[in-house]
Amino acid sequence: EDQVTQSPEALRLQEGESSSLNCSYTVSGLRGLFWYRQDPGKGPEFLFTLYSAGEEKEKERLKATLTKKESFLHITAPKPEDSATYLCAVQAEGSARQLTFGSGTQLTVLP
Amino acid sequence: KAGVTQTPRYLIKTRGQQVTLSCSPISGHRSVSWYQQTPGQGLQFLFEYFSETQRNKGNFPGRFSGRQFSNSRSEMNVSTLELGDSALYLCASGLGSEQFFGPGTRLTVL
Repeated sequence: EDQVTQSPEALRLQEGESSSLNCSYTVSGLRGLFWYRQDPGKGPEFLFTLYSAGEEKEKERLKATLTKKESFLHITAPKPEDSATYLCAVQAEGSARQLTFGSGTQLTVLP
Repeated sequence: KAGVTQTPRYLIKTRGQQVTLSCSPISGHRSVSWYQQTPGQGLQFLFEYFSETQRNKGNFPGRFSGRQFSNSRSEMNVSTLELGDSALYLCASGLGSEQFFGPGTRLTVL
């Protein structure tokens, strides 16, 4: 059974204080690993897809990396508007487009 | 380009009733997936449709069903509602492996 574990569950940072979120996964053949951002009461917003170990993608203050067992979402010099829940999900080979999600990391950035 | 739209946005039902939720995917997307999100279980996969065919189904009881129309719009139905069905129901449309979510329908069962 595919599993995704995210840590920490919650993270409070001061504005400008860089940090990383972790996503550990077990999957029977990884087709893709996805990062989403979700604001309260809204649907998840797509951030990145990573397909193979060693791959990295960047968007503004966010950088996602992937190894064979985990992914990191690095947040550089965060701002209060980066506060949200960050979700990690995996898609297994042969599962069509089914995503298995972790429980998320709730990030709060204080001004 | 318009995003995924879901209607209604909020719904209140009582136990035993049934409900139908609607999803319009991004133009050109032929895949539609449905997810249930609750505080206790997080986001859980319900089913996926592609070109009017169900391709995959999650571990939910038969009370949960769906369908897709020729214009790629999708509906999901929940019959004999239970209190535990209260959740945010999310629809996602896909092109390639990536999926883009709608704002969700908040269902409350009293």
